[in-house]
Amino acid sequence: DAGVIQSPRHEVTEMGQEVTLRCKPISGHDYLFWYRQTMMRGLELLIYFNNNVPIDDSGMPEDRFSAKMPNASFSTLKIQPSEPRDSAVYFCASSLAPKEKLFFGSGTQLSVL
Amino acid sequence: RKEVEQDPGPFNVPEGATVAFNCTYSNSASQSFFWYRQDCRKEPKLLMSVYSSGNEDGRFTAQLNRASQYISLLIRDSKLSDSATYLCVTAGTASKLTFGTGTRLQVTL
Repeated sequence: DAGVIQSPRHEVTEMGQEVTLRCKPISGHDYLFWYRQTMMRGLELLIYFNNNVPIDDSGMPEDRFSAKMPNASFSTLKIQPSEPRDSAVYFCASSLAPKEKLFFGSGTQLSVL
Repeated sequence: RKEVEQDPGPFNVPEGATVAFNCTYSNSASQSFFWYRQDCRKEPKLLMSVYSSGNEDGRFTAQLNRASQYISLLIRDSKLSDSATYLCVTAGTASKLTFGTGTRLQVTL
């Protein structure tokens, strides 16, 4: 039974480049969350979707960040243009219901040089 | 003030010891509480939910004090494999979970 699948596992890019992170949630999960983790700030919720619709994007740092969920089995988080301060681990998670157990993907380690 | 606060540690304890972590939360409307565990360079995984009456799962006991707005996690008979970061998590009225920055536990021989 596949869990949440994220790609790529690692991404190294130069400042100013576009970065696209991908996520496939667990089949049947109606909620999808994007988190960012840094040593200083811990896990921060960026945005979450319910049935493919963005519900709360108040955690998205600025306009350089955008997220989409075109269907129930795929979501992307895009950063354009990327900056060194965006370097972090980005996790995607899904759940059956709100405030219930979250299943996390393995994360994408992003390094912006 | 952070919504969820934890002592970052590290807590260094010998194998077999009992160790306890506390976590405070600021949102009095928080309705659900959890402890997640995160191993180094891995994703967080649910350890246990925290219920109002307190609950136990093997060597792990979680308690909630709504009046003082804190939750706790007690680990008895610590194992080397318990070494990890423990994340305190709350859920308010919105459909999202808020994570603390975690408490690091290192169990040694």
